[in-house]
Amino acid sequence: SQTIHQWPATLVQPVGSPLSLECTVEGTSNPNLYWYRQAAGRGLQLLFYSVGIGQISSEVPQNLSASRPQDRQFILSSKKLLLSDSGFYLCAWRRTDFNEKLFFGSGTQLSVL
Amino acid sequence: QKEVEQNSGPLSVPEGAIASLNCTYSDRVSQSFFWYRQYSGKSPELIMSIYSNGDKEDGRFTAQLNKASQYVSLLIRDSQPSDSATYLCAWGAGNNRKLIWGLGTSLAVNP
Repeated sequence: SQTIHQWPATLVQPVGSPLSLECTVEGTSNPNLYWYRQAAGRGLQLLFYSVGIGQISSEVPQNLSASRPQDRQFILSSKKLLLSDSGFYLCAWRRTDFNEKLFFGSGTQLSVL
Repeated sequence: QKEVEQNSGPLSVPEGAIASLNCTYSDRVSQSFFWYRQYSGKSPELIMSIYSNGDKEDGRFTAQLNKASQYVSLLIRDSQPSDSATYLCAWGAGNNRKLIWGLGTSLAVNP
């Protein structure tokens, strides 16, 4: 069966510090991978998605970046965090077949202070 | 712009009642529809998917899809306090790798 791992569960970072969140998927190959952010009381905002190694699509301009160094690894980064980067970050995967279901990791609650 | 509309609630129902959650979407090319449940502080969990017009039942959950009216709903029978959560609907088009999300409906089931 497929599993998705995301860590850490919570993170408190000062403004201006760097960020690295990692996500790995097991039990499947060549998945589509996604990073979402959910601000308090708001909907899911798609940040990045990837259809293969090194292929990243950015959905919103911001100080975040994503990378996919391996087929089942997806990394979200920032060089300098802003207060507005606080939120619940979710990694998700989906098979490459169209109309397939999306499955989420457990999420990272990021607080930028 | 493609979008999904949901009543934000909160929707409050007594324990044992039927909870009805609704979602309308803007794009007629939509092919896949999903309902997710999200408990506070947790990640969304897929509970139903539906692709064809009509009803799809899974335990206490029934998803209903009407493509002509661009409407999808979720019925929860015999609601339990453990069903209290935010319910998100999402849809996708076959040629699009992204899902379009509603903002969610908050459901409270009162004992």
